Amino acid sequence: QKEVEQDPGPLSVPEGAIVSLNCTYSNSAFQYFMWYRQYSRKGPELLMYTYSSGNKEDGRFTAQVDKSSKYISLFIRDSQPSDSATYLCAMSAGDDKIIFGKGTRLHILP
Amino acid sequence: GAVVSQHPSWVICKSGTSVKIECRSLDFQATTMFWYRQFPKQSLMLMATSNEGSKATYEQGVEKDKFLINHASLTLSTLTVTSAHPEDSSFYICSATPGQGVQPQHFGDGTRLSIL
Repeated sequence: QKEVEQDPGPLSVPEGAIVSLNCTYSNSAFQYFMWYRQYSRKGPELLMYTYSSGNKEDGRFTAQVDKSSKYISLFIRDSQPSDSATYLCAMSAGDDKIIFGKGTRLHILP
Repeated sequence: GAVVSQHPSWVICKSGTSVKIECRSLDFQATTMFWYRQFPKQSLMLMATSNEGSKATYEQGVEKDKFLINHASLTLSTLTVTSAHPEDSSFYICSATPGQGVQPQHFGDGTRLSIL
């Protein structure tokens, strides 16, 4: 079992819909959880950064962490075509290393 | 804030050439910088961790003599791909953390390396 599992998609949703992206992980030592957005031929851009379990909201984005289930989610409300990108989950046990998921390709259809 | 600049963005060169990629933190001091490699539709694979003023720590399977990393200042790290071959063609991305302790990494825009 890989440390971080993420469905690669692609996921296509109509504009305005709520998007749900998620990752599962196996390492219970992970404490820090991140979501990055990566446009084609660009570096990843940090969207959300959370510590331990709980929810965090920033504009149209909500990140959820359920450590008991080893499951994290990113919700995008009122999705827009500009949200079309690859979304990478990432996590860390508190050392320098970050373990990334493979990324989910998201297409928002106008 | 936390802007990381990477240069060049795209390199095409002949087999056997050495290529240097620069990674700069523009608005913060980066004690630690990281170098990743990403193949199409794959995730980022950590190659090495670079600390200012000391030798880089390479991940298992990464040839340190092939991928030379220098982190001479708190705002600049370089990756040199020596005697590059077609199999080295990839997307190389650097990242940096702005402080001590656990911090999220901020990424540059990557360098697309194509070896003919």
